[in-house]
This record gives sequence, C-alpha cells and structure tokens, in this order.
Amino acid sequence: DGGITQSPKYLFRKEGQNVTLSCEQNLNHDAMYWYRQDPGQGLRLIYYSQIVNDFQKGDIAEGYSVSREKKESFPLTVTSAQKNPTAFYLCASSIVGTEETQYFGPGTRLLVL
Amino acid sequence: RKEVEQDPGPFNVPEGATVAFNCTYSNSASQSFFWYRQDCRKEPKLLMSVYSSGNEDGRFTAQLNRASQYISLLIRDSKLSDSATYLCVVASYNQGGKLIFGQGTELSVKP
Repeated sequence: DGGITQSPKYLFRKEGQNVTLSCEQNLNHDAMYWYRQDPGQGLRLIYYSQIVNDFQKGDIAEGYSVSREKKESFPLTVTSAQKNPTAFYLCASSIVGTEETQYFGPGTRLLVL
Repeated sequence: RKEVEQDPGPFNVPEGATVAFNCTYSNSASQSFFWYRQDCRKEPKLLMSVYSSGNEDGRFTAQLNRASQYISLLIRDSKLSDSATYLCVVASYNQGGKLIFGQGTELSVKP
C-alpha cells in the first residue's frame, strides 16, 4: 500500500531538548511538506521541499530544521529554540506541479513536559 | 486579517439537517479552492475541490464566488458520520501553489 507514515504517533520532550519527527512516503512524490496545527487553528507551513537536497522555509520555520537526503524521507527536527513546540505535526507529499493535491500522514503529537 | 477565514462554529445539528459553512479569502490571486475534512486527532483528507461553476458530490455541494472571494459548503441530510472539522483551503500560484488553511469549522451531528 502506498502512503505516508509518520512516527512516533505521540512524542514527549523535555524542555531544552531537540527532537526529530520522522516522515516517510512511498508514493514517489517529489514534494514534501511539514505543517503544524494548534488547537482550533488551521495548518501552518513550517518547511517544504520540492527536490532532494533542497528545501524552503514556510511561514513558521523559526526553531525548526529539516533535511531531504532521500526522496522518500523528510525528517523534521524541533530544536530547543522553538519556544512553544507542543502541537500536532503533519507531514504531506504531492507531485510537483499539483501542489494543491497533498496527501497527509497520520501526524505526530508532540508534548513538551 | 487572516488569509482564509471560516465560520467559528461549532455547529450542532440534528441528523437529517442541512448545514452550510462559509469561508472568505483575502488573496484575489487565489486560484484553487478545496474543502478538507478532519476527524478528531486525525490528518485532514480532501473532501472536494471547489469550482467556479459549483460542484456537487452526493449530499455535498460546494460553491465559489470569485467576485466576493467567498466559498461555501452545503451538507444536506446530515449523518452522524459527518461529524468532523471542515477546513477551507486556498492555493495561489503566485505563492508557489502553497496551501493556505482556514482554522476549520467543527460540525457535530446529533441523533
């Protein structure tokens, strides 16, 4: 089955620690995205990548970092510089040129203790 | 002003009711419009695209008014399984096709 997987489903972090969220897709999509969702709010774009070894900042990139070493993988690191990291993180992918049709992973809930 | 704004909700309706959600967008260059459905603690899933001529998919009807920069979603004969949050989403090619999400409108259908 083709799709996007994110792990873990729930993640707890102590203040001051970096943590990396995994996102893998086997849809052969070139474009991948990371969003953050807070309660009662829409999704906000953190980073996106349209090709391996290249990525761009979204609207709220501060305190986050990404890498795109493989087409299938787009991990997101939440650094200690992110002051309010508790949120629901969603990864998505699409075919370049059809960015409006994005497929989402199941998400990771990050809770800072 | 937010780029995409939706009715604040929540909407609590009985089974069988007709319910309408409204959404406005601020970027007149927006070119693609969608409604996504998001169940509690799950990822959003595309419900339907919205076209200028209006489009219907079973009990769901979406309308777009470009002049007023307004999008709507009508659900007829609502079912318990329609309970979810509905997200209005807009894409602008002058922003690289980036999707802009509204904050969502929660719908709760009661027996």
